[in-house]
Amino acid sequence: SAVISQKPSRDICQRGTSLTIQCQVDSQVTMMFWYRQQPGQSLTLIATANQGSEATYESGFVIDKFPISRPNLTFSTLTVSNMSPEDSSIYLCSVATFTSGPGYEQYFGPGTRLTVT
Amino acid sequence: DAKTTQPPSMDCAEGRAANLPCNHSTISGNEYVYWYRQIHSQGPQYIIHGLKNNETNEMASLIITEDRKSSTLILPHATLRDTAVYYCILGNNDMRFGAGTRLTVKP
Repeated sequence: SAVISQKPSRDICQRGTSLTIQCQVDSQVTMMFWYRQQPGQSLTLIATANQGSEATYESGFVIDKFPISRPNLTFSTLTVSNMSPEDSSIYLCSVATFTSGPGYEQYFGPGTRLTVT
Repeated sequence: DAKTTQPPSMDCAEGRAANLPCNHSTISGNEYVYWYRQIHSQGPQYIIHGLKNNETNEMASLIITEDRKSSTLILPHATLRDTAVYYCILGNNDMRFGAGTRLTVKP
């Protein structure tokens, strides 16, 4: 398994500002993802964080709004830029690790609860 | 869009087996079936995954139909702590979540 930590765990921010969320994994992983979970909703995939190259964004998400860095195999950041109240959500970091068996296992961090006022 | 459909909610009596169904009729040959659960205010927790064979681990069993168009997650002896939202998703480097099933285990 992989142990994932996120910073900050929660924050309250003013509209128009930006927040950078950090994700640290205790082992090297091939794949890292960022998700958003709005209140009462399921998880929505924002992007796949690629090590050494630009992230791959899902439809509806753009780099200018959610810039992502992944400088190595254990760390990634997600920035929520120019925030509005609609960005209030839980942001989750996730990693996928290959196992000795087929397929892979995906693990999630505890999430960052963001409130924009 | 998610490629799985699940009932929005289910109840189960404590100590009984919880059987959570999932339909994935458009599954492709190289897609695995993954199950996760999310307990309130926590990040999702991996439970089990499989390709075409039934799988069992310390948490649950996964039964996949022969045509792979549906599957069932079985919690053999549900406890109150198993109350959570359970997600069935198809993964092959692409993990999109649907709405899940809210399982409530009752005393």
